[in-house]
Amino acid sequence: AQSVTQLDSQVPVFEEAPVELRCNYSSSVSVYLFWYVQYPNQGLQLLLKYLSGSTLVESINGFEAEFNKSQTSFHLRKPSVHISDTAEYFCAVSGNNNDMRFGAGTRLTVKP
Amino acid sequence: ETGVTQTPRHLVMGMTNKKSLKCEQHLGHNAMYWYKQSAKKPLELMFVYSLEERVENNSVPSRFSPECPNSSHLFLHLHTLQPEDSALYLCASSQDFRGPTYGYTFGSGTRLTVV
Repeated sequence: AQSVTQLDSQVPVFEEAPVELRCNYSSSVSVYLFWYVQYPNQGLQLLLKYLSGSTLVESINGFEAEFNKSQTSFHLRKPSVHISDTAEYFCAVSGNNNDMRFGAGTRLTVKP
Repeated sequence: ETGVTQTPRHLVMGMTNKKSLKCEQHLGHNAMYWYKQSAKKPLELMFVYSLEERVENNSVPSRFSPECPNSSHLFLHLHTLQPEDSALYLCASSQDFRGPTYGYTFGSGTRLTVV
């Protein structure tokens, strides 16, 4: 079965600074990787996903993540964050059997 | 507004009450899920339905009873809950259950408080 580790429970950062949210996974089979974002009082929204092909995937609001098979990582990055990016971010992994596993989440707080 | 709608958004209930949470999706998805989200804990998968049949039950106490009358609707019936059951309950759907998933669509959740 797959598992996910998000290494940081909280990441505070100043506005316009770069940020990286770390995610490592373990799996013995092919994986599909996801980042979800949860704003206060809302459900989870799919931010981006890696299914196959290019290892670098991007979201519409400037986030990107790179699938690194050798390091079993799928870190999320943004070169310049905004106040509106403040939210909880969840990394998730799934295999061929649709067994989706979520990390514990990283709370990103962007300060002015 | 996402493609998955959950009602009510907030619910306060006593330990002897009976209530139900509702989830509805019109995305044409065949699989639906109930998750429990507690503070400082990973998301906990509670139930999975595929084509209206329950395919997974992750050792959830019997005071939680799911129902899936059709592929668009999912309920979670609650009775004699405990204060530790207070959490955000999330419903999600995906295209299919078997085979690789392309991601889940989540509802906004029901914030449940048991008093």
